[in-house]
Amino acid sequence: GQNIDQPTEMTATEGAIVQINCTYQTSGFNGLFWYQQHAGEAPTFLSYNVLDGLEEKGRFSSFLSRSKGYSYLLLKELQMKDSASYLCAVRDPNWSGGGADGLTFGKGTHLIIQP
Amino acid sequence: DTEVTQTPKHLVMGMTNKKSLKCEQHMGHRAMYWYKQKAKKPPELMFVYSYEKLSINESVPSRFSPECPNSSLLNLHLHALQPEDSALYLCASSGGNQPQHFGDGTRLSIL
Repeated sequence: GQNIDQPTEMTATEGAIVQINCTYQTSGFNGLFWYQQHAGEAPTFLSYNVLDGLEEKGRFSSFLSRSKGYSYLLLKELQMKDSASYLCAVRDPNWSGGGADGLTFGKGTHLIIQP
Repeated sequence: DTEVTQTPKHLVMGMTNKKSLKCEQHMGHRAMYWYKQKAKKPPELMFVYSYEKLSINESVPSRFSPECPNSSLLNLHLHALQPEDSALYLCASSGGNQPQHFGDGTRLSIL
């Protein structure tokens, strides 16, 4: 099975930087994803790490350390529209169907951006 | 706009009804997924279809029945659902090792 932990809620200020951490303990690992989800909407893909290191994508960056079972999502130049839930998800080889792996999600971090 | 299309967007049904949720993608992806998401909870994987092979989450009740008519379409047949099955049902697709892309979901309410 999978155990994925991330903080329940975080608050940050518009224009600032925030880092959302995710730790995981899994029997297998085929990559880690970060999704953004606004209330009442579907998750939107942000970032994907399969190897150790930093992936940068505009205002968003994600880091992975497989040996530590640790990832973080870094959001820069925060905007009010960044207020959302951020979901850490691990590709689960236990759900392999023809080479496709299902995702196991953490409980999500609710990020509140204040003016 | 999403490249994964789900219909209907909203569905209200009684416990004795039979209905189907539909999902379609035209990105050439060979893997499609159904997830269930309750309010303030993360999505939970229900089914994976890839290259016509089905993987099932053993905890999913048999009143949920997936069907994959072809590589672009995925259905979820619903029968004799319970009030606790009320949730947002999300379809996703992916190609190779690429990220899963989600549809907007069907919000299901069981009376």
